[in-house]
Amino acid sequence: GAGVSQSPSNKVTEKGKDVELRCDPISGHTALYWYRQSLGQGLEFLIYFQGNSAPDKSGLPSDRFSAERTGGSVSTLTIQRTQQEDSAVYLCASSFLSGTGGYEQYFGPGTRLTVT
Amino acid sequence: SQQGEEDPQALSIQEGENATMNCSYKTSINNLQWYRQNSGRGLVHLILIRSNEREKHSGRLRVTLDTSKKSSSLLITASRAADTASYFCATDWGGKLIFGQGTELSVKP
Repeated sequence: GAGVSQSPSNKVTEKGKDVELRCDPISGHTALYWYRQSLGQGLEFLIYFQGNSAPDKSGLPSDRFSAERTGGSVSTLTIQRTQQEDSAVYLCASSFLSGTGGYEQYFGPGTRLTVT
Repeated sequence: SQQGEEDPQALSIQEGENATMNCSYKTSINNLQWYRQNSGRGLVHLILIRSNEREKHSGRLRVTLDTSKKSSSLLITASRAADTASYFCATDWGGKLIFGQGTELSVKP
């Protein structure tokens, strides 16, 4: 079946603008995750959704970052008033279950965000 | 801060040789996972080892876990040029993954 898809694949935006990044998880996966990867910080967890539970937002770097997951499927990560340090590859992943059980995560190809 | 630390940061070997990458972590874990990344984009899951397991195999991959030392190693046997990639260990922290900095493996034909 189809894997995790993300759009756009690349996004260039001007400092101060808002951006929305989209993730379509694998159908039937109950958990969805956002990570970002940058040269200076490596791979960082941002937020994850598990079923109908409140999302774990502990990795969001500032209140300019938010995410939602509609209908338990598609997710949108929004960055308001972008800054140059937000430039990174934003990766989305999904898994069948989350929590203490521990399951492999399936990653999308990422969105490369460049803030000029 | 990142949970895992990996070494070496970079490793260059000839095709056919074995490659060993090590990962250390700081706190107790439910499981530890290894991922591969080509060309700085999507990650591919390689293997998951649970905290009550000591060794796991998958094809040419062998992963060990020593919870007393809080460390894991990934061995790739009989390496191929196609194994050239970055390899990351990740600890499962309440469902979310906390990644190490990664090892950049280069396999020369």
